[in-house]
Amino acid sequence: KAGVTQTPRYLIKTRGQQVTLSCSPISGHRSVSWYQQTPGQGLQFLFEYFSETQRNKGNFPGRFSGRQFSNSRSEMNVSTLELGDSALYLCASRGTGLGTNIQYFGAGTRLSVL
Amino acid sequence: LAKTTQPISMDSYEGQEVNITCSHNNIATNDYITWYQQFPSQGPRFIIQGYKTKVTNEVASLFIPADRKSSTLSLPRVSLSDTAVYYCLVGDYGSSNTGKLIFGQGTTLQVKP
Repeated sequence: KAGVTQTPRYLIKTRGQQVTLSCSPISGHRSVSWYQQTPGQGLQFLFEYFSETQRNKGNFPGRFSGRQFSNSRSEMNVSTLELGDSALYLCASRGTGLGTNIQYFGAGTRLSVL
Repeated sequence: LAKTTQPISMDSYEGQEVNITCSHNNIATNDYITWYQQFPSQGPRFIIQGYKTKVTNEVASLFIPADRKSSTLSLPRVSLSDTAVYYCLVGDYGSSNTGKLIFGQGTTLQVKP
């Protein structure tokens, strides 16, 4: 079974631009969560999508948004990029039901904002 | 969600057994204990999960005492490739609306030759 796939792996943007990151979950997984990892703040939860609906949201500004498609693939968008948005963005998927509460992470997208 | 406390860093040598203890005094009845491993610039990798007593898989063992206020991840005979950050997480991840994981600082394990 293929794991969680994130594209692209690396991105370089400039301040003020916007960026879209993509995540393909493990086949059959309907829940997709996004995390931001920086040296200073560590791993922080952004939001979770389940069946195309946002179910949980972390403490991030509205510039961070996401969506999920009917095939469970998810995208995350960051508008008006700031230098502080430079980070490793991670996507994780999980199944639903008994014994499926483990999240599996992708390799991440490394975003550098110049 | 229960807060966890674990050592910031640990050193070990190849071939030794490593035990990393995590404290979670406020663990709730429905909470599970989950450990992840992360290498630099990669996503966390699930290692093991447990609710009580002892759980063992092909890579690690997880020991949970009866009061569940702490847990110990045991890595047998570590190698250089086990050098990574290890995170202990506690939460009701079995509930349908809890996809939010709260990561602490983790424990940086350095394995020396």
